[in-house]
Parts: sequence; C-alpha cells; structure tokens
Amino acid sequence: KQEVTQIPAALSVPEGENLVLNCSFTDSAIYNLQWFRQDPGKGLTSLLLIQSSQREQTSGRLNASLDKSSGRSTLYIAASQPGDSATYLCAVNAQKLVFGQGTRLTINP
Amino acid sequence: DAGVIQSPRHEVTEMGQEVTLRCKPISGHNSLFWYRQTMMRGLELLIYFNNNVPIDDSGMPEDRFSAKMPNASFSTLKIQPSEPRDSAVYFCASSAGGFSYEQYFGPGTRLTVT
Repeated sequence: KQEVTQIPAALSVPEGENLVLNCSFTDSAIYNLQWFRQDPGKGLTSLLLIQSSQREQTSGRLNASLDKSSGRSTLYIAASQPGDSATYLCAVNAQKLVFGQGTRLTINP
Repeated sequence: DAGVIQSPRHEVTEMGQEVTLRCKPISGHNSLFWYRQTMMRGLELLIYFNNNVPIDDSGMPEDRFSAKMPNASFSTLKIQPSEPRDSAVYFCASSAGGFSYEQYFGPGTRLTVT
C-alpha cells in the first residue's frame, strides 16, 4: 500500500527566504506526482505535475524535483512571500492519487 | 473558463437525512473524481469516473454512499442515510484523461451532519 509522508508538518519562515518542502513515498512504481496548494476553507490548486520520466518541473518561483528510486520529491520555493502562506500537499499517482498530510507554511512579513 | 463547480458549498443536515452533492466538471474533461477530506484521514479518493463510467469505487465507505454521472457535465454524490461521521469536506475534481493529467479541484462542499 502506497504511503505518502510530508515533513515538516508545519513551517514558519521570514519573508524572502528560500525554502524546501519534502515529500516521501513508499512505492516507487508511480505514474506521476502532483504538488497542490490549499488555502484555508478553499479547494486545491494544482502547482506542478511531474511525470515519472521527469526529474523536475519549474513554474515561476517554484521548482519541484522527483527522485523515483529513492521515493522522494521536493518543492523549492524561491524568495518566499506572505502570499505563499498555505498548506502544500503532495500526491502520488499509483493507480490513484494518494495524498500526504501536507505542510502548513507561514511566511512572516 | 469556469473551473470545477460544486454545490452546495455548505450543507448542514440531521442524522438520517439524505444528502446530495453536485459537481460540474471542466468542459472537455473526461475524468471526474470525488474526494473526501477530514482532519483524521486527510484526502481520500472515493470514486473515479472515466467517460461517465465508474472505474474505481473502492474508496466508497459503504453502501450508504452512491455516485452517478448521467452525462459528461454533471455528477452527484449521494449519502443516504447520513451519519455524523460523514461530516467532512467533499471535493470534486476533473482531468483531461485520468490520472496521467493534472487534476483540477472544485471549491468543495462542507458537510455537517448533526
């Protein structure tokens, strides 16, 4: 059974810092991995999708990497801003999306 | 272009009542997913439709839950009878082709069963 773990559960940093969120999964037989953002009381917004054959994807200040063999993905956020404050979820596609519990990120002005 | 639309946004009902949640996927998407989010269990897939056909309903908790997709632009998730433990946020998502493509989520329906 696929299990997805996100560490840390919560993170608070000052504005302007670069930061890394971690995601690990137990079964490397995946089709792709997707990072989402969830604001309080809102739905999920897709940030990046990495296919299993890819090593990384970039969108603006976000960069996601995937190391399938070690069961890890990271989401790098450059020059963080208060508007980046949200919960970040990683989801692994192994016949169906399996979500981690998320990292609650707070960027302090 | 409108995203995934869900209604109602909030639902409060009494135990034993029937609850129907509705979803309109993004136009042109042929895959639709229903998820449930709780503090204890996080986000879980309930059921997945492809071209209006249920493909995987292994996540549906029990017979009280049922889902239909009568056409490409509409789906319902029904709970009958509802129980307090069904209280959660229910999300609908759609994609252009199953799990290989990005999934786009609706705003969710917050269900409270008293």
